[in-house]
Amino acid sequence: KAGVTQTPRYLIKTRGQQVTLSCSPISGHRSVSWYQQTPGQGLQFLFEYFSETQRNKGNFPGRFSGRQFSNSRSEMNVSTLELGDSALYLCASSLLGGDGAAGLFFGSGTQLSVL
Amino acid sequence: TQLLEQSPQFLSIQEGENLTVYCNSSSVFSSLQWYRQEPGEGPVLLVTVVTGGEVKKLKRLTFQFGDARKDSSLHITAAQPGDTGLYLCAGARLFQGAQKLVFGQGTRLTINP
Repeated sequence: KAGVTQTPRYLIKTRGQQVTLSCSPISGHRSVSWYQQTPGQGLQFLFEYFSETQRNKGNFPGRFSGRQFSNSRSEMNVSTLELGDSALYLCASSLLGGDGAAGLFFGSGTQLSVL
Repeated sequence: TQLLEQSPQFLSIQEGENLTVYCNSSSVFSSLQWYRQEPGEGPVLLVTVVTGGEVKKLKRLTFQFGDARKDSSLHITAAQPGDTGLYLCAGARLFQGAQKLVFGQGTRLTINP
């Protein structure tokens, strides 16, 4: 079974630009969560999608948005990039989502650098 | 305020030594997970503990969930260089009607040969 696939692996953008990151979950997994990881803040929850609906949302500004398609693939978008958006963006899939006992399966992440 | 406090934040020890990493909170969790993350990769799930007082072993790693389900520990016996990585604990709790996973800041472990 293929793991969680995130593209691209690395991205360099300049302030003010927008970016779209992609995530393909494990086959059969219907929940996709997105996290931002920085050395100072650790792993911060962005949002969770389940069956194309946003089920949960973290405390990030509206510049951060996402969506999920009918095949469970997900994208997240960051508009008007700021220097502080530089981070590793991780996508995680799970069978049902939300249920902590099931565990999350993470992709390798997209390392975003904003110059 | 961090909901889950991990200690220590950094730990560097020699191969063969034992160590314990702690994950503490004032909140009760329905379950708690431990992940290990290596540079350039996403976290990998090591274990999930669900019942208060539960102990799980994974080779040289022993995980314990506190009786009150507010804290957990990870003990590594005879540490090996391959154990090097960032160890993250994550607690599941009900928030605004939905289960949510909260991560600790992590413990960066270095095992020196």
